Amino acid sequence: AQSVAQPEDQVNVAEGNPLTVKCTYSVSGNPYLFWYVQYPNRGLQFLLKYITGDNLVKGSYGFEAEFNKSQTSFHLKKPSALVSDSALYFCVLVILTGGGNKLTFGTGTQLKVEL
Amino acid sequence: GAVVSQHPSRVICKSGTSVKIECRSLDFQATTMFWYRQFPKQSLMLMATSNEGSKATYEQGVEKDKFLINHASLTLSTLTVTSAHPEDSSFYICSATYGATGTNSPLHFGNGTRLTVT
Repeated sequence: AQSVAQPEDQVNVAEGNPLTVKCTYSVSGNPYLFWYVQYPNRGLQFLLKYITGDNLVKGSYGFEAEFNKSQTSFHLKKPSALVSDSALYFCVLVILTGGGNKLTFGTGTQLKVEL
Repeated sequence: GAVVSQHPSRVICKSGTSVKIECRSLDFQATTMFWYRQFPKQSLMLMATSNEGSKATYEQGVEKDKFLINHASLTLSTLTVTSAHPEDSSFYICSATYGATGTNSPLHFGNGTRLTVT
């Protein structure tokens, strides 16, 4: 069965420092991986996706993620964190099925960027 | 970009009453809409998937008679929580997509509805 894991409930980082939010996956076929961000009392906003092609994916707001097939990971990164990046981040795995694609959400990682 | 509007953003109702939440795709035709429920500090739990003009498909454990979903047009889906009780208090989020779900067409989410049942 497919699954996605975000091993850290919370990540704290100082403003200006690089940040990493971890995501690992398990799937029998080709993974389609997404990152979404959620601000308090808001819906999720799309950040970036990996479908195929280059392993390094660049997305919104300066975020990027690297797809690593050997490590089954898709960690979200940003070279220099901002206080406004503080939010809840979800890694999402999409599996193509005959009956409609299935989405599996990670448990979320709360990012806190401090001055 | 694609916009999904969800209304209301907050609602407080008394136990036993029904509440309707609307989800609209403003600038695209949503072939599929999803309804999620999110508990504090937890991930999203898929409640049901609805396709325009057909009955919604509910996830296991979700009461279809309690959470009524109607997807009457390609731009509107509604979730009605019937005979609401305090345990139904939660954050409900809708999302919509066009084309193949969630691959070339990422999900577009509404801003959510905070339901409080007193």
